[in-house]
Amino acid sequence: AQKITQTQPGMFVQEKEAVTLDCTYDTSDQSYGLFWYKQPSSGEMIFLIYQGSYDEQNATEGRYSLNFQKARKSANLVISASQLGDSAMYFCAMSLTMDTGRRALTFGSGTRLQVQP
Amino acid sequence: GAVVSQHPSRVICKSGTSVKIECRSLDFQATTMFWYRQFPKKSLMLMATSNEGSKATYEQGVEKDKFLINHASLTLSTLTVTSAHPEDSSFYICSASGREEQMKQYFGPGTRLTVL
Repeated sequence: AQKITQTQPGMFVQEKEAVTLDCTYDTSDQSYGLFWYKQPSSGEMIFLIYQGSYDEQNATEGRYSLNFQKARKSANLVISASQLGDSAMYFCAMSLTMDTGRRALTFGSGTRLQVQP
Repeated sequence: GAVVSQHPSRVICKSGTSVKIECRSLDFQATTMFWYRQFPKKSLMLMATSNEGSKATYEQGVEKDKFLINHASLTLSTLTVTSAHPEDSSFYICSASGREEQMKQYFGPGTRLTVL
């Protein structure tokens, strides 16, 4: 079964420090994509970072980096130099191929990050 | 990045009425659009996938006759909640992907539906 697991319902971090949000996945697909989205209280889903299963290097986007460990099936998000505006819900997601060949995202349960001044 | 809009952002309706939610890709052609539902403090659950010009594919447990999806063009998909009931109250979010980046989905801002 294809599944995304986020084991941290909530995390606290001090402003300017780094924080790691955990994500593990399970799939039998060889080709898949891993995503992180940020959802502030307004509800919109903000794309942060993407890692393809065949990408050899870890993805980075500004202060965000994805620690991709394929053998462990983990795709942790690292946020460096946390800012107060980073306080939000964070979802890990995996793109998988459905029965008809279409691709859809399956989401983890999310981690609520609170950045403290 | 690609922009997806949703309208309306909030809607309150009486039980028994139908509500239409629009999802538009503003600067790219969306070959596939997805509709998700999110309950408070929960994750997103995929409801259905629609490809332009063809019928939507619904996930298990989603009522096709209740949640009508139309992907009429490469920039527009609509979700109609028919005969809405209070249990249909939720946050509905659409996303879209194009031909060039089929792996990536771009999300709309969501629609909060409240059925009285």
